[in-house]
Amino acid sequence: AQSVTQLGSHVSVSEGALVLLRCNYSSSVPPYLFWYVQYPNQGLQLLLKYTSAATLVKGINGFEAEFKKSETSFHLTKPSAHMRDAAEYFCAVSDSNYQLIWGAGTKLIIKP
Amino acid sequence: DVKVTQSSRYLVKRTGEKVFLECVQDMDHENMFWYRQDPGLGLRLIYFSYDVKMKEKGDIPEGYSVSREKKERFSLILESASTNQTSMYLCASNHPRDRQQFFGPGTRLTVL
Repeated sequence: AQSVTQLGSHVSVSEGALVLLRCNYSSSVPPYLFWYVQYPNQGLQLLLKYTSAATLVKGINGFEAEFKKSETSFHLTKPSAHMRDAAEYFCAVSDSNYQLIWGAGTKLIIKP
Repeated sequence: DVKVTQSSRYLVKRTGEKVFLECVQDMDHENMFWYRQDPGLGLRLIYFSYDVKMKEKGDIPEGYSVSREKKERFSLILESASTNQTSMYLCASNHPRDRQQFFGPGTRLTVL
């Protein structure tokens, strides 16, 4: 069965520092992988998705993620954090029934 | 601009009341989903529907029912609300061949 693990329920970085949010998955089929962002009191918005094309995926707001099959990872990065990046981030994998299996989420805190 | 809308952003109900949460999408999507979101637990699937009048139980269907009489509308029903159903409820939709899900803004339900 597919599963997703996000390491760290909270990640704190200084403004201007590198953002790294970790996601590991298990999947019995070639995975489709997603990162979504949720700003306070809002729904989820797609940041980026991996659909078996390029392994380095660029998303909105300067975020990108790299699919590493050998490590079963899909970590999210951004070179320089902004205050507006403060939000909760969810990693998800699509299972064989086309449903999404979700990680528990990581809250990104930006220190001024 | 594609849209998923939910009938209420905030709702306060009393224990034992019947509660209706409505979701409408304008993208002609076949699939629609209801999730609940609780801190540290990510998104948990309550029910989904892959066609009008069709429904499937998700991971936590107990205490909930759903209705899909029209393609664009998917309703979540709490027959007798309880305090442990206090949560954020998120509706989503997608096309069967597109694994990306599109989300509404969420309804924060408080049951007193």
